[in-house]
Amino acid sequence: AQSVTQPDIHITVSEGASLELRCNYSYGATPYLFWYVQSPGQGLQLLLKYFSGDTLVQGIKGFEAEFKRSQSSFNLRKPSVHWSDAAEYFCAVDMDSSYKLIFGSGTRLLVRP
Amino acid sequence: DAEITQSPRHKITETGRQVTLACHQTWNHNNMFWYRQDLGHGLRLIHYSYGVQDTNKGEVSDGYSVSRSNTEDLPLTLESAASSQTSVYFCASSDLFKRTDTQYFGPGTRLTVL
Repeated sequence: AQSVTQPDIHITVSEGASLELRCNYSYGATPYLFWYVQSPGQGLQLLLKYFSGDTLVQGIKGFEAEFKRSQSSFNLRKPSVHWSDAAEYFCAVDMDSSYKLIFGSGTRLLVRP
Repeated sequence: DAEITQSPRHKITETGRQVTLACHQTWNHNNMFWYRQDLGHGLRLIHYSYGVQDTNKGEVSDGYSVSRSNTEDLPLTLESAASSQTSVYFCASSDLFKRTDTQYFGPGTRLTVL
């Protein structure tokens, strides 16, 4: 079955440190890829998306993600984390161009002062 | 500004009751979706619609129904609420004709079934 895996349930980083959140998907072709962020009690906000072209994608709030076809991965990165980045992050995939999204189970980011 | 709203934001109901959650969007989007969010599962698709009179089942549709009588609204009905349907429900919409656009999410409805 098609699936999206976020292997890290929780990640804790110090403010100012770099961040990488992992996302892998199982699908034969190249899907459309998304990262969303959810602050407590809030809805989901799009950070960035990949449809085609340059495999390094820039998003809002200083985030970027790199699509690696050979690894079926779309990892999210930020060079220097701010306390306001503490939230839950979801990777999502449109596997078959149907507009439907399959979500990973999420990674909760905690930021140490 | 265009937006997507959900009501109520919080709902407590009893097992066996019928419950309807409202979703209204002013983006004029053809696509609308309902997801539920549970700890450890991320968001899972319940039902979706590509336009008026069109509805489709998602991954976890058992016990839920939707109807689409206009572009703006996609109400979600729990025919006979069960404790397993305690969850946070999110509605989303997207533009059928802008393939590279994303889904826009509502603020969510927290439903508790006692």
